[in-house]
Amino acid sequence: DADVTQTPRNRITKTGKRIMLECSQTKGHDRMYWYRQDPGLGLRLIYYSFDVKDINKGEISDGYSVSRQAQAKFSLSLESAIPNQTALYFCATQMGDKSDTQYFGPGTRLTVL
Amino acid sequence: DAKTTQPPSMDCAEGRAANLPCNHSTISGNEYVYWYRQIHSQGPQYIIHGLKNNETNEMASLIITEDRKSSTLILPHATLRDTAVYYCIVLIYNFNKFYFGSGTKLNVKP
Repeated sequence: DADVTQTPRNRITKTGKRIMLECSQTKGHDRMYWYRQDPGLGLRLIYYSFDVKDINKGEISDGYSVSRQAQAKFSLSLESAIPNQTALYFCATQMGDKSDTQYFGPGTRLTVL
Repeated sequence: DAKTTQPPSMDCAEGRAANLPCNHSTISGNEYVYWYRQIHSQGPQYIIHGLKNNETNEMASLIITEDRKSSTLILPHATLRDTAVYYCIVLIYNFNKFYFGSGTKLNVKP
């Protein structure tokens, strides 16, 4: 969905480096999510935010942190990247109380060497 | 944990209906059934959702059994572009945490 953008789309980095993945949306949605997907597996929730002042851990938050800079921006950081964080990362947005449907960005492919 | 069971893969002939089953035998009365699909490694795409009544939209139909323990997603006339992994998800309304299992890889063949 073009209304949800992620940067970068691809990134190769080295173990120990700090990495930030960015997500922006023009849908005006309050809620935003970060997921990771490993090859052949479904998506797993890392962090989610219901509004700018609300940040919550998902099922696999260890090794990650997030920042909700504005309603439209939600960033995911890997403070010290490790090889098992190599994955496809997706950002998603959701309107809020009136709808549960989540809309996903195109994904960021991250490789940690 | 994912609360749904789906076959790992299915084949369908182009132009025919694709019927994708999902078992959610432990579903609660306030949990919705959602379907998403993921084409190659793109972001998952919303298809349809329902609570207990059958639903239809421009993409698909969702048939939920009366006891709500299983459902079927129907793509009425599958095309090659429908080749994707289809995820069935159960979700408490407004709980927001989507649990994606491994899904069903649908292969639409000419």
